[in-house]
Amino acid sequence: ETGVTQTPRHLVMGMTNKKSLKCEQHLGHNAMYWYKQSAKKPLELMFVYNFKEQTENNSVPSRFSPECPNSSHLFLHLHTLQPEDSALYLCASSQGRASTLPYEQYFGPGTRLTVT
Amino acid sequence: TQLLEQSPQFLSIQEGENLTVYCNSSSVFSSLQWYRQEPGEGPVLLVTVVTGGEVKKLKRLTFQFGDARKDSSLHITAAQPGDTGLYLCAGGRNFGNEKLTFGTGTRLTIIP
Repeated sequence: ETGVTQTPRHLVMGMTNKKSLKCEQHLGHNAMYWYKQSAKKPLELMFVYNFKEQTENNSVPSRFSPECPNSSHLFLHLHTLQPEDSALYLCASSQGRASTLPYEQYFGPGTRLTVT
Repeated sequence: TQLLEQSPQFLSIQEGENLTVYCNSSSVFSSLQWYRQEPGEGPVLLVTVVTGGEVKKLKRLTFQFGDARKDSSLHITAAQPGDTGLYLCAGGRNFGNEKLTFGTGTRLTIIP
């Protein structure tokens, strides 16, 4: 049990659809992340939020729009995606900025996204 | 971007054998984590090392952080089918810095 949940676990959407991915963490953490994991590529960091403030946007196309209403919830809004956006989207959380501990992230199970 | 190269990329061995996976970089990290990811799931944290030369053991898994804190290794003794998965190393630059650099991954298959 990771303490980080993601819904849905699987999503198939057309290129003209709008959908949202949801992530919730029950660990009392202050930082949350979105990653993209494609076959044969290292984990790609997309966005970082620290205390609800976006601190990193790793040159992600605007068809991906994150939202972090509070430290426990994170959304990724999707619209007009391309087939190459098909991947496993992972959410993670950590203690966040100002932590004096070694940096450790805890991941959710991911959403397997297929764009048709 | 500081890359973490893992080797080998793929490894398939018989149950009961020993193996070592490597994680190398030209950059210094303040901490290094190892994760294991099973199909259809997210990565699960196995261990964190922070001191150059540090060795940590987790049952049959032994993790070592290089003296210069640029590399790490994971040694598995008497591998079992349950060890099958994608092993990822990840380096942190500063405590309190929220970003990690993830390695390229080693996909391990243990054959019963």
